[in-house]
Amino acid sequence: DAGVTQSPTHLIKTRGQQVTLRCSPKSGHDTVSWYQQALGQGPQFIFQYYEEEERQRGNFPDRFSGHQFPNYSSELNVNALLLGDSALYLCASSSGQGPYSYGYTFGSGTRLTVV
Amino acid sequence: EDQVTQSPEALRLQEGESSSLNCSYTVSGLRGLFWYRQDPGKGPEFLFTLYSAGEEKEKERLKATLTKKESFLHITAPKPEDSATYLCAVQAPASGGSYIPTFGRGTSLIVHP
Repeated sequence: DAGVTQSPTHLIKTRGQQVTLRCSPKSGHDTVSWYQQALGQGPQFIFQYYEEEERQRGNFPDRFSGHQFPNYSSELNVNALLLGDSALYLCASSSGQGPYSYGYTFGSGTRLTVV
Repeated sequence: EDQVTQSPEALRLQEGESSSLNCSYTVSGLRGLFWYRQDPGKGPEFLFTLYSAGEEKEKERLKATLTKKESFLHITAPKPEDSATYLCAVQAPASGGSYIPTFGRGTSLIVHP
């Protein structure tokens, strides 16, 4: 049974460019959350999608946007990239909106480097 | 605002040297505290969920405990393969009826052979 799948695994972009990251949730999960993890920091919540709608949003600017598709997969888009956007972007899946007995199931992340 | 503070930031142990990691939290309506293990360049891997003060969970050399203000992850006789970053997260109700875990910064553990 496949867990959470993220693509690509690594990405290098130039300041000002736009990027799209993709996530397929674990089988049976319908909720996708995105986190940003800078080096040496804990994961910071970006937003959560459930039933194709953004349900919660963390303290991130509008440059960060997302989408959830009918098959529950999700995309994270970041516009006008800044050097400070360099981080590991984690996708986490779950069932429903919680509370969760086992937390989230995380993917291995996409390492984004902005130069 | 929910807050999670983990200490120490980094910990170096010799193989077999037991120790504890701390997670202190401030949250309204705690509905679970999670411990995760994260290897370099990988996503967090779930270890434990604790719900109420006095609760304990064990897995191999790890034991997690919970009080009303903090949680401890005890590592008994660690091995080099226990080297990883250990993350603590609290779960509480957010607006709109959802639950969003809030993470601490983690403790980086290195166990030397």
